[in-house]
Parts: sequence; structure tokens; C-alpha cells
Amino acid sequence: AQSVTQPDIHITVSEGASLELRCNYSYGATPYLFWYVQSPGQGLQLLLKYFSGDTLVQGIKGFEAEFKRSQSSFNLRKPSVHWSDAAEYFCAVGGVYNTDKLIFGTGTRLQVFP
Amino acid sequence: EPEVTQTPSHQVTQMGQEVILRCVPISNHLYFYWYRQILGQKVEFLVSFYNNEISEKSEIFDDQFSVERPDGSNFTLKIRSTKLEDSAMYFCASTKGVETQYFGPGTRLLVL
Repeated sequence: AQSVTQPDIHITVSEGASLELRCNYSYGATPYLFWYVQSPGQGLQLLLKYFSGDTLVQGIKGFEAEFKRSQSSFNLRKPSVHWSDAAEYFCAVGGVYNTDKLIFGTGTRLQVFP
Repeated sequence: EPEVTQTPSHQVTQMGQEVILRCVPISNHLYFYWYRQILGQKVEFLVSFYNNEISEKSEIFDDQFSVERPDGSNFTLKIRSTKLEDSAMYFCASTKGVETQYFGPGTRLLVL
């Protein structure tokens, strides 16, 4: 069965610092991979997704993620964090079809200090 | 840009009551989903629905839960007899099948 691990429950960074949020998945093949962001009391907004092809994917709000098959990882990065990036970030894995259910990680709460 | 919408945004109910959560998926989408998120926890899959039938359901989706697409535009989740542990944010999602799932803003359900 698929699973997703986000080892960092809470990360604090200063505004302007770089950011990397870790995500490891377990699946028998290369699945669809996603990062979603959730602001307090809000819904889920898709930041980016990986289906196939280039392993470095660009998303909205200046985020990018790199798929590493050998490490079963899909880490999210941003070179310079803004205060408005403070939110909860969820990594999710689908199946080999993009209609498969999504399995979410437990999330990483990002706090940004000025 | 088309969006998934959900009503109500908040619902408070008494334990044992029935609730119906409503979703309007994006109009040309074919696959529909319900997920839930208990406060402070991760988002969990409940059920997927395609071609007017359930494609997959999780262990959470027991006999107290049902889904329906009554009129070709709405997609509903019914909880027959709510329990305290049903308190959560419920998200609807939909997809055409060639790209990602789009999520609605959620319905926050509180069972007292």
C-alpha cells in the first residue's frame, strides 16, 4: 500500500531564507506526486505535481520540487521564503493513474519569522 | 477559473442526527472524491465515485456513510447517524481524469 512520510512536523525559518520540506513515499511503481498548501481554516491549494518527465518541477508561488526515484523522495524547495508562505504543507501520492485516490502525509507546519 | 464548491461551509449537529454535505464539482469532471481531515491531523481519503457508482472506499467509509450524485451536478455525502468522532473538515474533489484533483474549500462539521 502507498504511504507518505513527512519527517518534519514543524519548521521555522526567517523571511528570506531558503526552505526545503522533505517528503518520502512508498509505492511499487512511480506514482503521481503532489504538494498542497493549506492556510489556517482554508482548503487545499495545489502547489505542484509530478507525473513523469523532468524530475524538477516548478509550481506556483516560486516553489519547486525534485523527484528522486533512487531515494523515493519528492522534496519541496523555495529559495527565499516570504512571510505569506506560513502555512501547512502536505505531500500526497496518488497511484499510477491520475484518477487514483490521494494518500497524504501528516503535513509540515511552516512558521516564518520576520 | 472553474472551482469546486461546497455547502454549507460550517455545520453543527447533534450526535445521532443525519447530515448531508453538498458539493458541486467542476462541470466537465467525471471522477469525484470525498476526503476528511480531523482537526490537527492529515487529510484522509473516504470514497471515490465514477459513472454513478463507488469506485473505491476506505475503512472509514462504513455503512453510516453514503454518496450520491442526484442530479448530474451535485455530489453529496450523507452521514446517517453522526458520532462525535465524525467532527472534521470534509473536502470534496473532482477531476476530468487527465490531470490532478481539484479540491473544494471544505465543510467544517461539528458534532455535539
